[in-house]
Formats: sequence, structure tokens, C-alpha cells
Amino acid sequence: GDSVTQMEGPVTLSEEAFLTINCTYTATGYPSLFWYVQYPGEGLQLLLKATKADDKGSNKGFEATYRKETTSFHLEKGSVQVSDSAVYFCALKLTGNQFYFGTGTSLTVIP
Amino acid sequence: GAGVSQSPSNKVTEKGKDVELRCDPISGHTALYWYRQSLGQGLEFLIYFQGNSAPDKSGLPSDRFSAERTGGSVSTLTIQRTQQEDSAVYLCASSFYGNTEAFFGQGTRLTVV
Repeated sequence: GDSVTQMEGPVTLSEEAFLTINCTYTATGYPSLFWYVQYPGEGLQLLLKATKADDKGSNKGFEATYRKETTSFHLEKGSVQVSDSAVYFCALKLTGNQFYFGTGTSLTVIP
Repeated sequence: GAGVSQSPSNKVTEKGKDVELRCDPISGHTALYWYRQSLGQGLEFLIYFQGNSAPDKSGLPSDRFSAERTGGSVSTLTIQRTQQEDSAVYLCASSFYGNTEAFFGQGTRLTVV
């Protein structure tokens, strides 16, 4: 079935470090892919998305590229800040279906 | 409204009581989703409504859980005879039809004592 496998955390980085959170997916069709972020005490917010192969989603310095050949959508940021501390969820969606979420990766950035 | 609205934001109930959680989606969104997030856990799918189609109930954990969506807008998630393991944050989201992003409400934190 359709699913998302996400890098387990927690991840702790120093400020200005490079971030990668791995995400791979299994889907029967051609999904759209998303990264959602949940800041402490808040709800889920869309961080970025990509709707077809080779698309790159980007927002707030974060990027992810839809790689059909490796069924991946890894999240990257070149220089993290303390304010990026949050839980990050990878997700996929096929038309007419629910969203499938990964288990979430907790990121803590220390000054 | 401007976003997905859920009420109440917090609910404490006694074991065995019934509870109703409400979700008011973004106007014009045809799809509505309910998820559950237990402490430190990921998102567990519960139910998905799309327009006038039969809902996908495959995620409901037991027959104590039910949901309806009236007039293609507001949805109510009902949990009967609540148990302590039902304690979680219940999240509602809505979207347009297709592979578009979902917008989430702030959730209802349910505590069963």
C-alpha cells in the first residue's frame, strides 16, 4: 500500500549546521509530496510541496526535490537556526485518497 | 472562515462518557480529514470525506468512533464510551479535491480521566 518512511529522530544540530531529513515513499500512482512542520505547541503547517517528478519545493530556506527514480523527497537546509526547532512530517497524497504521513522527525537546534 | 476551526480546543471527560469534536473547514474545500496524534507519536488517519462520496472510514480504531459531515461542510467526530487510550490530540484538516495541500486546524486535546 501507499506509505511514507521517514528518518527517525530526534536530531540535534548546532546553529548554522546543514540539515538533511530523509524521506522515501511507496505509492501506487503519481502522488504529490509534502513536508509539514509542527512548531512547539502549534498545529501542522505546510512547509513545502512538489507535485511531480523533478519538481523542487522550497520555503524559508528549506528545499526538497521529488525524485521518482529513488522514490525520495529529502528535506534539506543549508544553515539551520534555533527557530527551526520543530517536528517535521513528510507526507504523500494521491487524488481521492487520504494523506499518508511519516512518523515525524524532531529537530532541536542549539545555539 | 480564514482557516480550519476546531472546537473545543481542550476537553477533559470521564471514562465512559461520550464526546463530540467539531471541525469547521475552510469554505469551498471539498475534502475533510480527521487524524489523531498521541503524545510523541505521528499522525494516525481516522476518516476522510470527499464531497458527496462515501467516506473512507478505514482508519477508525473501533465502532466507538464515528463521524459525519453535514451539508458538505462542518464535521463532527463522536467517540462513545471514551477510554483512557482515546486521550490524544484530534486534528482536522481540509483541502480542495486532488493532490493539493491540506490545511490543519489547531486540534482538540482530549483527556480521558
